Amino acid sequence: EAGVTQFPSHSVIEKGQTVTLRCDPISGHDNLYWYRRVMGKEIKFLLHFVKESKQDESGMPNNRFLAERTGGTYSTLKVQPAELEDSGVYFCASSQVRQETQYFGPGTRLLVL
Amino acid sequence: GDSVTQMEGPVTLSEEAFLTINCTYTATGYPSLFWYVQYPGEGLQLLLKATKADDKGSNKGFEATYRKETTSFHLEKGSVQVSDSAVYFCALSEGRMDSSYKLIFGSGTRLLVRP
Repeated sequence: EAGVTQFPSHSVIEKGQTVTLRCDPISGHDNLYWYRRVMGKEIKFLLHFVKESKQDESGMPNNRFLAERTGGTYSTLKVQPAELEDSGVYFCASSQVRQETQYFGPGTRLLVL
Repeated sequence: GDSVTQMEGPVTLSEEAFLTINCTYTATGYPSLFWYVQYPGEGLQLLLKATKADDKGSNKGFEATYRKETTSFHLEKGSVQVSDSAVYFCALSEGRMDSSYKLIFGSGTRLLVRP
C-alpha cells in the first residue's frame, strides 16, 4: 500500500510569487491534515479535511493560504503571494475515519527568497 | 491552550548508551500522547503512543509511560544504536470521535548517536 505522497519535495520561489503544494493521502483515508514546521520550531497544525469538507482550519495563518480537497482525494495548499516567513517544511498526514493515528508524508521544503 | 514541551537538543550519545528525552504537556482534558520520529531525508513516523494514564507505549526498544500526575511522557531506550540518530517529536491529541484529531507537537529533539 502506498504511503502519503507530497509534491514537490522542494520549492524555491521569490517573495510575491505563488506556490501550490500537493498531497496524496493513503487510499481510503477520509481525514487529511496539513502541518508546517517553520525555522526548526515545533510542527504546527494548519487544517483538517474530512473528505472534501474543511473540519477545522483554525491553524491557517492568514488569507494568503488556500487549501482545497476537491472530490475528497488529493489536496492542494496554495500560498499567494508568498512571504519570507512562509519558508519551512509543509507536512501532510492522513488517517482513517475515527482513528487517531496519522500517517505523514515526507514533507515539502519551501524556501521563499 | 494545550502545549507540549520537549528538552532541547541536540542530544549526543555513544552507541549502547541509555537514552532519555523528556516531554511534558499541558492539556485541559485527557489527551492521547505520541512520539514521532523523523529519520534523515524521510517523513514523520509514529514511534509509539499511549491513550490513557499509566499506559506504556513501546516499539523498537523505545518506551514511554503516560504519567498524569507529572503530565509527562518521557521517551527512553536502554541501548541506542547509530541507526537511532533522528529527530524525535512528542505530541498530543485531544480529539474525540467525529472531530479533529489534530496533533500538537513539541519542538523536536535531535539525537545523534556516535559509533
